[in-house]
Amino acid sequence: NFMLTQPHSVSESPGKTVTISCTRSSGSIATNYVHWYQQRPGSVPTTVIYEDNQRPSGVPDRFSGSIDSSSNSASLTISGLRTEDEADYYCHSSDSRNQVFGGGTKLTVL
Amino acid sequence: QVQLVQSGPEVKKPGSSVKVSCKASGGTFSSYAITWVRQAPGQGLEWMGRIIPIVGTVNYAQKFQGRVTITADKSTSTAYMELSSLRSEDTAVYYCVTPPPTTTSFDYWGQGTLVTVSS
Repeated sequence: NFMLTQPHSVSESPGKTVTISCTRSSGSIATNYVHWYQQRPGSVPTTVIYEDNQRPSGVPDRFSGSIDSSSNSASLTISGLRTEDEADYYCHSSDSRNQVFGGGTKLTVL
Repeated sequence: QVQLVQSGPEVKKPGSSVKVSCKASGGTFSSYAITWVRQAPGQGLEWMGRIIPIVGTVNYAQKFQGRVTITADKSTSTAYMELSSLRSEDTAVYYCVTPPPTTTSFDYWGQGTLVTVSS
């Protein structure tokens, strides 16, 4: 099994840009799609990025995703931070038999 | 639009089992990949396993092998997750989840079922 490693927490000011990384421990990050979820306290997770860099309808274009094969990692970037972006963010990917979540990153917008 | 409705909260004794249900509507149940994910209090998301009713395929996370059983009843469009030999560390919210037909992201979530394991 592989693991997805995320920073435990990040913080940034409103209006700024933040990037959350998700590093795959084994196997290529490019082989299986990476998805990103936002979870606010007391709520069910919602998809903010799917298939590495696709944005679901209703998700603002301030959210973007990418992958970098050289570092075997994926990134979620949120620009023009707003207080409502404060939440936990999880990356998710798979291999032939397993689905794996990153440990989650708590984003604080202060 | 897929809707997943789960059974209510449970309180269980250590060593017992729990069975959580997930009724799906709005789509073709047999073609779903119903996945079970849990979240312990203050912790992250943890994949437990999934079932694809149309082909009968079931995969379990290695951590839960031998303790979890995922089944599906196509006649009622309901999936089930049974976890046995419960311990306090199994206290968590259990979610059923499924992706839409066109991708693998977990777009549709049940409301969650809180399972509390306590003596």
